[in-house]
Amino acid sequence: GAVVSQHPSRVICKSGTSVKIECRSLDFQATTMFWYRQFPKQSLMLMATSNEGSKATYEQGVEKDKFLINHASLTLSTLTVTSAHPEDSSFYICSAPRRAMGTEAFFGQGTRLTVV
Amino acid sequence: GNSVTQMEGPVTLSEEAFLTINCTYTATGYPSLFWYVQYPGEGLQLLLKATKADDKGSNKGFEATYRKETTSFHLEKGSVQVSDSAVYFCALSGGGADGLTFGKGTHLIIQP
Repeated sequence: GAVVSQHPSRVICKSGTSVKIECRSLDFQATTMFWYRQFPKQSLMLMATSNEGSKATYEQGVEKDKFLINHASLTLSTLTVTSAHPEDSSFYICSAPRRAMGTEAFFGQGTRLTVV
Repeated sequence: GNSVTQMEGPVTLSEEAFLTINCTYTATGYPSLFWYVQYPGEGLQLLLKATKADDKGSNKGFEATYRKETTSFHLEKGSVQVSDSAVYFCALSGGGADGLTFGKGTHLIIQP
């Protein structure tokens, strides 16, 4: 079946540094990928829509300069958290819809980011 | 805009009990509806889905019926197991290139 792989699964970084998270569709092409953020005991909030070959679309309240998204190929989208701060600590999850399977979205395993 | 409301937990049940997790939604048009499950330390997995009114999604003993008249998609299981302990998310998709809209999640705890 379709698989979306996200890496790394856990990362700890120092304040002020940048962290890159990769999201790959393993056996299908994804022109669109989605990035979500999940706070403890809360729901997933859509951060941005990553579009292959064009700029990402950010949800209201999400800083595009802090959360850089690059969708360089049909199977890879990256989220870079720049100048990370402790309040950026969260669980980040990517997903990709597989068109052949209708509106179903496949999710990556998620990345637990801890900024110290 | 779209929104999903689901009952908040934690919900604690004994093994073999009957489970219902309520989910209602607000959406324009005809959304697709989903239940996702998140086991501890893992990402989300699709549990079941329904794409049109009166459809019933089912998987692993769980069921949910797309009720347009009540804008609901309640999750049910007749006899829960300890291994069903997880967080369950109700979600909808407007289709096309939209991301999913999620409910807040319901933490289910099944005790032996």
